[in-house]
Amino acid sequence: EIVLTQSPDFQSVTPKEKVTITCRASQSIGNGLHWYQQKPDQSPKLLIKYASQSISGVPSRFSGSGSGTDFTLTINSLEAEDAAVYYCHQSSSLPVTFGGGTKVEIK
Amino acid sequence: EVQLVESGGGLVQPGGSLRLSCAASGFTFRSYYMSWVRQPPGKGLEWVANINQDGSDKYYAASVKGRFTISRDNAKNSLYLEMNSLRAEDTAVYYCTRMFYYFDSWGQGTLVTVSS
Repeated sequence: EIVLTQSPDFQSVTPKEKVTITCRASQSIGNGLHWYQQKPDQSPKLLIKYASQSISGVPSRFSGSGSGTDFTLTINSLEAEDAAVYYCHQSSSLPVTFGGGTKVEIK
Repeated sequence: EVQLVESGGGLVQPGGSLRLSCAASGFTFRSYYMSWVRQPPGKGLEWVANINQDGSDKYYAASVKGRFTISRDNAKNSLYLEMNSLRAEDTAVYYCTRMFYYFDSWGQGTLVTVSS
């Protein structure tokens, strides 16, 4: 099973700041890495697919990068509505697995 | 608009059974892989099971294999999860998801609580 390790676990950020979340895979997964946002009391929402591909309707301040074992989700100019838990997910091999999540709080 | 609506959750005793349903609309259901993903209260996401378009291929997480069965009825645009021999650690919100290699659409979830 591929283990995904996210860091940090928690981040408190001022609006308009840049946020960087990392996800490290226990073995190479190519670009089979996807990112989700889950706001309080809501279902998860797909933000980025295949490490860096944007999703229609998702604000352009969200971007992803990386390949192999190291991946990054970047939120440029954080807005209050971005307070959420962010998860990475690998689809390279079964069982598909998720990272433990990163909670982003707005200061 | 893609809609996935789960139902069937509730309180069940350890060792009991429950059947979850997911009604799909807004897309050609028979053309997509579907999955169940769960989330224990206050915790992260865990994939549970996948099923291919015609129901001939099914995959399960090790934690539920042999106890849970995923199925679908393409004529009714519905996905199911039959859960047997339920344990306290199965307590979670269960989400129905549409799947490519990523989960692009999620239902609102249904809560399953396993407790005596």
